[in-house]
Amino acid sequence: AQSVTQLDSHVSVSEGTPVLLRCNYSSSYSPSLFWYVQHPNKGLQLLLKYTSAATLVKGINGFEAEFKKSETSFHLTKPSAHMSDAAEYFCVVSASGGSSGGSYIPTFGRGTSLIVHP
Amino acid sequence: DTGVSQDPRHKITKRGQNVTFRCDPISEHNRLYWYRQTLGQGPEFLTYFQNEAQLEKSRLLSDRFSAERPKGSFSTLEIQRTEQGDSAMYLCASTSGGYEQYFGPGTRLTVT
Repeated sequence: AQSVTQLDSHVSVSEGTPVLLRCNYSSSYSPSLFWYVQHPNKGLQLLLKYTSAATLVKGINGFEAEFKKSETSFHLTKPSAHMSDAAEYFCVVSASGGSSGGSYIPTFGRGTSLIVHP
Repeated sequence: DTGVSQDPRHKITKRGQNVTFRCDPISEHNRLYWYRQTLGQGPEFLTYFQNEAQLEKSRLLSDRFSAERPKGSFSTLEIQRTEQGDSAMYLCASTSGGYEQYFGPGTRLTVT
C-alpha cells in the first residue's frame, strides 16, 4: 500500500522569496517519488524525480527536492519564487510490488496551489 | 507539448449518453495510463496497459467504463450511460517502462 500527504493545500509567497512545498509519503516498498506541476489549462509536467540514486534531486526551473527516508518526506524547494511558478503542484509516489509485481501504479497527492505575489 | 495527445479536449454530453475519448501516446512508449481528475483533487488512477494488455483496473472503473488499446498504439476510454458524477478531466499518460510519465492535455467531460 502507498499514500501521499501534501501538508498544505495552498502556499502563498512573494516573488523572490523561497518556496517550500511539503510532502510526506508511505510505501510498503522502496518508493520512487516525483513532483509534477500543472499550470492552468495545461497538462501535467514532470519537475523532478527520485529513484533511489542521490537523495537530493535537482529538477527544472530551479526546483529541487530532498528524499529523507527517516522522515518519509520529499519536500520541494526553490530559493527564489518567480511569478511564472504560480501553479498546482502534485507529489507522487510509485512503488513496485503488490499483487501485480512491478505494476508501477502511482498515487498522487491532493495538490498544493502555489500563489506568488508581486 | 509532451508528445501525448488527447481528443477531444472538451466534451459536453447529456446524462445517459455514451462518450468515447482517444489518447495517442508517444510512439515508443509501451505503457499507457488513464486517470480521472476532479476539481481540487489529484489525478486518480483508472487503468493501465502494457502494449495491448490491460494489466490493472481501479475499483473506480465501474462496469460502465471500458478501455482498449488495440495493437498497443492509441487507446480509447468509453463511458456508457454517463452520469453527472462522471464529469471530470480524463487524463492519459504514457511511459517507456520506467517511472516517469508523460501526460496529455486531458479531455474535460461535462455531463448535463
